Amino acid sequence: GAGVSQSPSNKVTEKGKDVELRCDPISGHTALYWYRQSLGQGLEFLIYFQGNSAPDKSGLPSDRFSAERTGGSVSTLTIQRTQQEDSAVYLCASSLVSQGAGGTEAFFGQGTRLTVV
Amino acid sequence: RKEVEQDPGPFNVPEGATVAFNCTYSNSASQSFFWYRQDCRKEPKLLMSVYSSGNEDGRFTAQLNRASQYISLLIRDSKLSDSATYLCVVGRDDKIIFGKGTRLHILP
Repeated sequence: GAGVSQSPSNKVTEKGKDVELRCDPISGHTALYWYRQSLGQGLEFLIYFQGNSAPDKSGLPSDRFSAERTGGSVSTLTIQRTQQEDSAVYLCASSLVSQGAGGTEAFFGQGTRLTVV
Repeated sequence: RKEVEQDPGPFNVPEGATVAFNCTYSNSASQSFFWYRQDCRKEPKLLMSVYSSGNEDGRFTAQLNRASQYISLLIRDSKLSDSATYLCVVGRDDKIIFGKGTRLHILP
């Protein structure tokens, strides 16, 4: 398919373990976002990548969280030493860049449901 | 102050009624505006863009008030299938920012 792909769709991990979540954006989309959504809550912004610019990491909740985007395409969100409060759905979205017009439609993947036990 | 603010609701509305949501944004440099819809346990999807002149798509009407920095969504003749969370989204500097959403429950 041509949509945003995230893997795994579900992940159960033990407290203290590291996890890696993967996002394959739509081909040609230079903007990529990671969000976290706890049950019944709104989207929590984590990090934003745009082309070759330095990522906006202002939403990362602690230094246990990091993300990279290699080759301007695939992105990996890593959570080290997971805690129970990290349990949530992690959503990735990608979009075209509108050349200063303020952003264009973002397309979301189906998310990774992370459960820390 | 959050950059995009919405009433979280829930709005409980009888089927067939008209319902309206507002959303305010704090940065006057915001350039683009959208409404997204998120169904329970699903990812958000674009409902409609919001244009300066206002725009309509079937039962849905979106309006932008730049002077007062708010956007609105009006749903007429509401259906049970309209039950969802509606997310206000504002674009600035090639980045889009999501509000926390307004929950809508349409009651039979």
